Amino acid sequence: DAGVIQSPRHEVTEMGQEVTLRCKPISGHNSLFWYRQTMMRGLELLIYFNNNVPIDDSGMPEDRFSAKMPNASFSTLKIQPSEPRDSAVYFCASSIRGPNNSPLHFGNGTRLTVT
Amino acid sequence: QKEVEQNSGPLSVPEGAIASLNCTYSDRGSQSFFWYRQYSGKSPELIMSIYSNGDQEDGRFTAQLNKASQYVSLLIRDSQPSDSATYLCAANNAGNMLTFGGGTRLMVKP
Repeated sequence: DAGVIQSPRHEVTEMGQEVTLRCKPISGHNSLFWYRQTMMRGLELLIYFNNNVPIDDSGMPEDRFSAKMPNASFSTLKIQPSEPRDSAVYFCASSIRGPNNSPLHFGNGTRLTVT
Repeated sequence: QKEVEQNSGPLSVPEGAIASLNCTYSDRGSQSFFWYRQYSGKSPELIMSIYSNGDQEDGRFTAQLNKASQYVSLLIRDSQPSDSATYLCAANNAGNMLTFGGGTRLMVKP
């Protein structure tokens, strides 16, 4: 099993540019999560999909952030326009059903730097 | 107040000792609890799950849960330098999503 696959591994961009992060969950997993990790705030849940449908996006910081899951094997997190405070490591994770009684499997993350 | 609280550390223990990591949570409806280990620059990986009061053992790791006190702990016996990492406690919330604590950094000195 290839695990959760994220791309790119590193992204450096200038303020104001659009950033798109990509995720391929583990085959057969029906729940997908986007997390952001910073030293100051730790690991924060941004949005959660179940069966490709967004269930809770209350963690999305503002309208500049959007996420889609067009099918069971692909999701994107987009930031437009990006700002320096968006610099963080963004993790995608997947699980079977929900996280209750089902552990999350994390991808390797995308380290985003906005200058 | 964060929903899941951990001491950020660092917690320093000598090699071979028992490392004790603690976590408290605020949502009394939480039913599932997890410990993840995260090495520097890497992604979190699951090491223990616990769902009922008491102890859950897996090799050198023991997770303990006390729902009345809203307290979860992780014991690492015979600590090794390779155990040096940040340990994240997580609990599911009312919306059945995982909330993570800030993590405790563990350092095992040879």
